[in-house]
Amino acid sequence: DSGVTQTPKHLITATGQRVTLRCSPRSGDLSVYWYQQSLDQGLQFLIHYYNGEERAKGNILERFSAQQFPDLHSELNLSSLELGDSALYFCASNPSGVGTQYFGPGTRLLVL
Amino acid sequence: AQTVTQSQPEMSVQEAETVTLSCTYDTSESDYYLFWYKQPPSRQMILVIRQEAYKQQNATENRFSVNFQKAAKSFSLKISDSQLGDAAMYFCAYSNRDDKIIFGKGTRLHILP
Repeated sequence: DSGVTQTPKHLITATGQRVTLRCSPRSGDLSVYWYQQSLDQGLQFLIHYYNGEERAKGNILERFSAQQFPDLHSELNLSSLELGDSALYFCASNPSGVGTQYFGPGTRLLVL
Repeated sequence: AQTVTQSQPEMSVQEAETVTLSCTYDTSESDYYLFWYKQPPSRQMILVIRQEAYKQQNATENRFSVNFQKAAKSFSLKISDSQLGDAAMYFCAYSNRDDKIIFGKGTRLHILP
């Protein structure tokens, strides 16, 4: 158990819908990262937040957005969902934005 | 841009034997981290081992060790005394000091009883 929690574990929804994925980092970690793992794209970095501020953006679609709250938990919002958004979404955290990232168990999203 | 390449999509090893997974990377940075992550069927991403580029000594964690060749930009993982629980997808990964992790496409390791 890495200490990073993600909810929900599974999510099934329809195209065009909007969902919110939640992540709680390890106690004391200020940085939160989001990754998408799909069959065709592998593991891809989406976005990084440090202590509430966006630090870096990767291959994140405009339909996707994220934020980190004062209590350091983070939410990833996915809207206008498409079939191709079906994937495993991971959150990871570390104390300072440098070095090893500890991954949560992931949220498995299925868009029908 | 940094890249990570794992040239072996799948590998098999007999239980109790030793296996080496290959990884090469490309970067112009001198200070960075390299990782091996394990993803078992549960899909959890588990850190196996990490290497800091400025350290010449190869990292080891129990049965897991790496061969880090900085000039050749090579970072292989050796698993000794393979166990059934080692069966998983293994990802080689790279990170700058203040940046995202870039993952290779993975090597699926099968352990033969």
